[in-house]
Amino acid sequence: DTGVSQNPRHKITKRGQNVTFRCDPISEHNRLYWYRQTLGQGPEFLTYFQNEAQLEKSRLLSDRFSAERPKGSFSTLEIQRTEQGDSAMYLCASRIDRWGVSSYEQYFGPGTRLTVT
Amino acid sequence: KQEVTQIPAALSVPEGENLVLNCSFTDSAIYNLQWFRQDPGKGLTSLLLIQSSQREQTSGRLNASLDKSSGRSTLYIAASQPGDSATYLCAVSRTSGSRLTFGEGTQLTVNP
Repeated sequence: DTGVSQNPRHKITKRGQNVTFRCDPISEHNRLYWYRQTLGQGPEFLTYFQNEAQLEKSRLLSDRFSAERPKGSFSTLEIQRTEQGDSAMYLCASRIDRWGVSSYEQYFGPGTRLTVT
Repeated sequence: KQEVTQIPAALSVPEGENLVLNCSFTDSAIYNLQWFRQDPGKGLTSLLLIQSSQREQTSGRLNASLDKSSGRSTLYIAASQPGDSATYLCAVSRTSGSRLTFGEGTQLTVNP
C-alpha cells in the first residue's frame, strides 16, 4: 500500500489551455474525493465518487471542469480553457466504505500544483 | 451551510510549550471531525478523527476533544517540538462518507 498518488505534481500552463490531472487512490478504496486549495485557505470540496459513480458535485465545479472514474479505480480531473483563477493545489483523497469494512478517515495524496500564466 | 473557523490563524511558540488550537463549526449536526497536518506545499496527513458520539481522541502527544453541542473542538499538543511546525486543519463531515468542510487552518511555528 503506497498511499494516494497524484500526477503530475506540478503543472504550469497558459491561460486557455486544457489540463488533466490523475489520482490513484489506495488500493480497494471505493470512495474518491477531489478538493481544491488556494494559498492560505483550507481545501474546498469539488466532487466525489463511489466506485465509478459520481455522487456529488460542488457548485465550484463549473462546466469547464469534468471528473471521471471510468473503472472505479483511478480518477481524472480535467479543466478546459484554464483561467488564472484556476491556479491552486488540487488534492485527491480516498477511503474505503463497504459492508463490514469502513474507515471514516479520508487519506490525502500530495496534490497537483497548477499555475496558470 | 456549514462554516468552520479556526483560531488563531497563526501561532509562534518556544520549544517545549504546551499549546491549544481551536476549531468551531456552525452546524452541530456532524458525523465526525478530523484534524490534519499540512506541511508547506504538501498534502494533508490525518492526525486524529473523532466520531460525533466521542468526546476525545489521543495519539502520542496529541489530544483532540469534541463538544458537539457547542460546536467546538480543540487540539492539544504537549511538549511542542520544532518538527511540529506546520499548518493544522480541522474538518467536519455531515454524514458518513460525505464531503469534508475545512477551516482555514492554524499555522504553527515552534522555535528551537
